[in-house]
Amino acid sequence: EAGVTQFPSHSVIEKGQTVTLRCDPISGHDNLYWYRRVMGKEIKFLLHFVKESKQDESGMPNNRFLAERTGGTYSTLKVQPAELEDSGVYFCASSRSQGRRTEAFFGQGTRLTVV
Amino acid sequence: AQSVTQLGSHVSVSEGALVLLRCNYSSSVPPYLFWYVQYPNQGLQLLLKYTSAATLVKGINGFEAEFKKSETSFHLTKPSAHMSDAAEYFCAVPNQAGTALIFGKGTTLSVSS
Repeated sequence: EAGVTQFPSHSVIEKGQTVTLRCDPISGHDNLYWYRRVMGKEIKFLLHFVKESKQDESGMPNNRFLAERTGGTYSTLKVQPAELEDSGVYFCASSRSQGRRTEAFFGQGTRLTVV
Repeated sequence: AQSVTQLGSHVSVSEGALVLLRCNYSSSVPPYLFWYVQYPNQGLQLLLKYTSAATLVKGINGFEAEFKKSETSFHLTKPSAHMSDAAEYFCAVPNQAGTALIFGKGTTLSVSS
């Protein structure tokens, strides 16, 4: 069974540009999550999809971030325009069910550097 | 509100020595707790989880953790460190709704020969 896959693994862009990160969850996992780790800080939750619907987007930092999950399969996270403080590692995770005891499976992350 | 605190951002041990990584939690509901590990250039991998079935939880690669309600702790241990254990370790607790994990700041474990 393939794990959670994220593309690209690294991205270096200039301030003001647009970047789109992609996440392919484990097949059959309705729940998809985005997290971010800024240098030196904790891994922070961004949002949670159940199928194609946004269940919880309380962690999205501002309206420069747009997440989509068309058809309830893969998800994209677009940053437009990118700012220096957006640099960090963006993790995607998926789970079959939801709830407090649910294990989430994580991808390798996308390291975004905004220069 | 739920939170976790990992004491020590960096722990160094010799190969064969005991590994102890500390995690204290705060939770307004009965907690579930997770330890994840990130090896270099890899994603987060679940080491073990506490879901109230047993207070001593065994995980992969010889790691275990003990849930102590009186101390609000869930420390991770391994009797004998191996070079391959060098990684960053994260303690996490679900938020109250169960829609997200709240992570500690992480502890980097270095193992020397």
